Order: sequence, then C-alpha cells, then structure tokens
Amino acid sequence: EVQLLESGGGLVQPGGSLRLSCAASGFTFSNYAMSWVRQAPGKGLEWVSGISSGGSTYYADSVKGRFTISRDNSKNTVFLQMNSLRGDDTALYYCAKYSLSWVVGALDIWGQGTMVTVSS
Amino acid sequence: QSVLTQPPSVSGAPGQRITISCTGSSSNIGAGNDVHWYQQLPGTAPKLLIFANNNRPSGVPDRFSGSNSGTSASLAITGLQADDEADYYCQSYDNSLSGSVFGGGTKVTVL
Repeated sequence: EVQLLESGGGLVQPGGSLRLSCAASGFTFSNYAMSWVRQAPGKGLEWVSGISSGGSTYYADSVKGRFTISRDNSKNTVFLQMNSLRGDDTALYYCAKYSLSWVVGALDIWGQGTMVTVSS
Repeated sequence: QSVLTQPPSVSGAPGQRITISCTGSSSNIGAGNDVHWYQQLPGTAPKLLIFANNNRPSGVPDRFSGSNSGTSASLAITGLQADDEADYYCQSYDNSLSGSVFGGGTKVTVL
C-alpha cells in the first residue's frame, strides 16, 4: 500500500525550531519529487517546499531562508527543518508525493499531516 | 492572496452541474503548465481529483472533469451529489516563483 506517514509536529515557542519527517512506503521513493504543503486552521492549502528526485530544492517565499527540505533515499524519508518559527507558521503540515521526478507534477499521494503550533 | 484565484463558494442542487474557475497568469497556467485539482472532504487530507488538466486518477467518477483555456482552468461536476460537499483546490507550477502554487479553494455546497 502506498503510504506517507508524517511525524515531528508539536508545540514550539516563537523563534524555535522543529524538524518534520515523512516516511514513505509502497513506491520507489527515489524516483519521485516530494513536497510539504501546509494548511493553517480554517484556511486553504499553501505549498511550502519541494525537492526533486535528484535533490534540487524549492521554497515558497514565506519560508525561504528559514526552512530546509532534504531527503534520505536510503531511508525513504523526506525532512523539513524549520527554524525561526513564527506564529503564522502554525498549521497542519502535509507531506505529499509528486507524480513526476520534478516539482511540476500533480501531488498524487498525501499523508494525514502533522500539526505544528507556534505559541508562547 | 493566492497566485491562482478561485471563487470562495459555489452551490447547486442535487443532480445539477456546477463549475469552479481557477484564474492564473502568464507565468503559470498561461505558460502552458498543467493544472491539477484536489478534493478535500471535511477533516481529511486532500485527494487528487484531476491531473494534467483533464485526467482522472483511477476511482474518480467521470462526473468530474477539467478543462483549461489561456490563463484559466475549470473543474466541472455533473450530477451533483450530497457527498460532493467539500473544498476544491486548483494547483499549477509557476515559472516565476519556481514552485507549485495553489488556488485559495472553493467550498461546494449541495442545496
């Protein structure tokens, strides 16, 4: 079964850091680009970051310089390192698989999300 | 402010046909980049509904269809059903931003 399982969310103070993980199974992980998409409470979807199968990285302007996406193909896992967190980073963070090796395809598989709350 | 613009809400009676628009620009839809559509039922993760403008993944009913023209795209739902009540999002790639972009989402209500 194709599956994505996120972990690492939680409550963090403003200015703090958090590292999200997404474990993939059921497909050849190294062949596909991966993405993080977030959804603030009651709001729409916001693309956060993507990483190609070859490791090229892309970021939304709202997180550029603060967040870092990476992947470990040996562990079928994609990560999102989040630094200098702010209140407007509070959201449910979804891991999603692209249908292609580059970040231009559809997001055909989604995890259930992990909640990040930034508050003092 | 989302890069892709969708109407906040659309409603229709059971059995009716509705459409949801997604308006972009010359750096995304107008550049020929594919448009994808997602359905998000309450309390659940988004699900891919239409990929590459007008293709349905396995298991998606043919009541759902997509089209695009110029800098806009549309999702049509025919034979509207109660369980179609959900939020719908369009997504494409933006050449200027070098990343994926979403529409703000459209809430579909079945009257």
